[in-house]
Amino acid sequence: AQKITQTQPGMFVQEKEAVTLDCTYDTSDQSYGLFWYKQPSSGEMIFLIYQGSYDEQNATEGRYSLNFQKARKSANLVISASQLGDSAMYFCATPGTGNQFYFGTGTSLTVIP
Amino acid sequence: DTGVSQNPRHKITKRGQNVTFRCDPISEHNRLYWYRQTLGQGPEFLTYFQNEAQLEKSRLLSDRFSAERPKGSFSTLEIQRTEQGDSAMYLCASTEGFPHNEQFFGPGTRLTVL
Repeated sequence: AQKITQTQPGMFVQEKEAVTLDCTYDTSDQSYGLFWYKQPSSGEMIFLIYQGSYDEQNATEGRYSLNFQKARKSANLVISASQLGDSAMYFCATPGTGNQFYFGTGTSLTVIP
Repeated sequence: DTGVSQNPRHKITKRGQNVTFRCDPISEHNRLYWYRQTLGQGPEFLTYFQNEAQLEKSRLLSDRFSAERPKGSFSTLEIQRTEQGDSAMYLCASTEGFPHNEQFFGPGTRLTVL
């Protein structure tokens, strides 16, 4: 079964600095995708970025980019120029076998002014 | 389109009671997911619908849980004989097309079982 591991329960970053949130995955599928979602304290889950396993380029969406290393099975999220509004929980996720969907345990990011 | 909506937003019930939650997905989305999220954890997959068909159900899901999507539009999640361990946030998400499309989440229903 697919599995997502996020080993950083909490991270701190200075405002305007970049931060990397780690995500490793375990899958036997040849074709798969990795998603990152943000969950502010208000609770709603917000989609940030997607990387397909066959995508040759690392995905980017504004200040978000994905450092995708297929051989290492890692899909780390890089947030550049951190803002106070980036303080939230961040979840890495991937579809599983069949129609299931797996999320990691998340990383709590705090941006320090 | 106002996005995914869920009702109620909060539910407090006594142990042993039945509860039902409703999810209204984005209208053109044919895929619908239910998740459960406890404090400090990521969402845990519960079940998946494609149109009105329930195609996947977590093996961890108790028989006390049942979900429907009768006309392929809104969905309901019912928990029978609630237990304190059922206390959690229940999230609904919808998406269209292929599995790699992003899911749009509702605000969730927070269940507290006393």
